[in-house]
Amino acid sequence: DTAVSQTPKYLVTQMGNDKSIKCEQNLGHDTMYWYKQDSKKFLKIMFSYNNKELIINETVPNRFSPKSPDKAHLNLHINSLELGDSAVYFCASGQTETQYFGPGTRLLVL
Amino acid sequence: DQQVKQNSPSLSVQEGRISILNCDYTNSMFDYFLWYKKYPAEGPTFLISISSIKDKNEDGRFTVFLNKSAKHLSLHIVPSQPGDSAVYFCAANDGSARQLTFGSGTQLTVLP
Repeated sequence: DTAVSQTPKYLVTQMGNDKSIKCEQNLGHDTMYWYKQDSKKFLKIMFSYNNKELIINETVPNRFSPKSPDKAHLNLHINSLELGDSAVYFCASGQTETQYFGPGTRLLVL
Repeated sequence: DQQVKQNSPSLSVQEGRISILNCDYTNSMFDYFLWYKKYPAEGPTFLISISSIKDKNEDGRFTVFLNKSAKHLSLHIVPSQPGDSAVYFCAANDGSARQLTFGSGTQLTVLP
């Protein structure tokens, strides 16, 4: 019955690899988001999708690409992983003012 | 360029006393402010919000105060309970940007 779920919870991988993080929401929201929590603990918006359209695309490297197969899913694909990509990635859904977050995916790039 | 700042990374309070968490912002276009609460290994959960047309919003033990002239908001929790121990994030929105800008969080520890 989890409202916003993410898989995997933990991801350890080598530099240069390509990986994906999946996100699903069962709240019926039109908009989903991806955030990165960096080493300084700030939560920074990366992307949001509204009805399959990318509506916000912050200045993130183009190695990061969001993919939304349907309204309930927003996956994050990362190419050529770098050490600096190590962080916690949170998926969220809902309206701008009230967002529901997933539990996070802790990515460690070695 | 951090537009939302939480200058206290941690705060310890005795159970039953008041907890006051502070947040400052620099963008005068922000018109909506929120507090999120985060437990370890979980995502942030919405706690309380306030519009810039108000200076106070109360929900049970939680009250948020907004001082627009000082670009400052605070979250008061009274009485504090051990279950309130968590990281609290301040966030702001300027309406047009359709995104939230978060602070770095304050770890609140309520001691029994």
